[in-house]
Amino acid sequence: LAKTTQPISMDSYEGQEVNITCSHNNIATNDYITWYQQFPSQGPRFIIQGYKTKVTNEVASLFIPADRKSSTLSLPRVSLSDTAVYYCLVGDPGFKTIFGAGTRLFVKA
Amino acid sequence: GAGVSQSPSNKVTEKGKDVELRCDPISGHTALYWYRQSLGQGLEFLIYFQGNSAPDKSGLPSDRFSAERTGGSVSTLTIQRTQQEDSAVYLCASSPPFRTSGTTGELFFGEGSRLTVL
Repeated sequence: LAKTTQPISMDSYEGQEVNITCSHNNIATNDYITWYQQFPSQGPRFIIQGYKTKVTNEVASLFIPADRKSSTLSLPRVSLSDTAVYYCLVGDPGFKTIFGAGTRLFVKA
Repeated sequence: GAGVSQSPSNKVTEKGKDVELRCDPISGHTALYWYRQSLGQGLEFLIYFQGNSAPDKSGLPSDRFSAERTGGSVSTLTIQRTQQEDSAVYLCASSPPFRTSGTTGELFFGEGSRLTVL
């Protein structure tokens, strides 16, 4: 399984764009990049998934360079309710899935 | 129900007792996962099932922990002779088949079972 490295914590202010970068140098051909969000006292929730280039949905964008050795989750115009832990996962979906330590995002007013 | 269901939601037990935690996955989901999360920590992988088989049990902390899945559906995580360090939230997740269903294979989590060992 590919090892992932992401910042332990980040601070932001309401209305700003937040970019969280994840490094995954030993990503394999079959691996996808998936991001989850976790609020206190809840299980993680899927945000977005991609294989290459750019993916966008109603809540976030995911940028993946051609070498796929890193990825960036972009949250546009964050609000206080976006304060959570964000996990970057790299692997073959449906198989063993490991969560790293995640990035704790604090959004301030 | 529509989501992953876990029971009990809270369990308080005495050191040395056995506990069983149950997970009802979403119907049709072939993969099922168990994780453990201590307060303020990340998710610790315990075990996952593909159907009724567990290809990887490497995350189980000790031989006091075991899990089974029957009928490709319900799973039970059993902890024997509980210790105080077993206190945590135990999260179960299920996911649909990835390559055959055109889905993302995303994990859907239950609300968790909070275990407190006194």
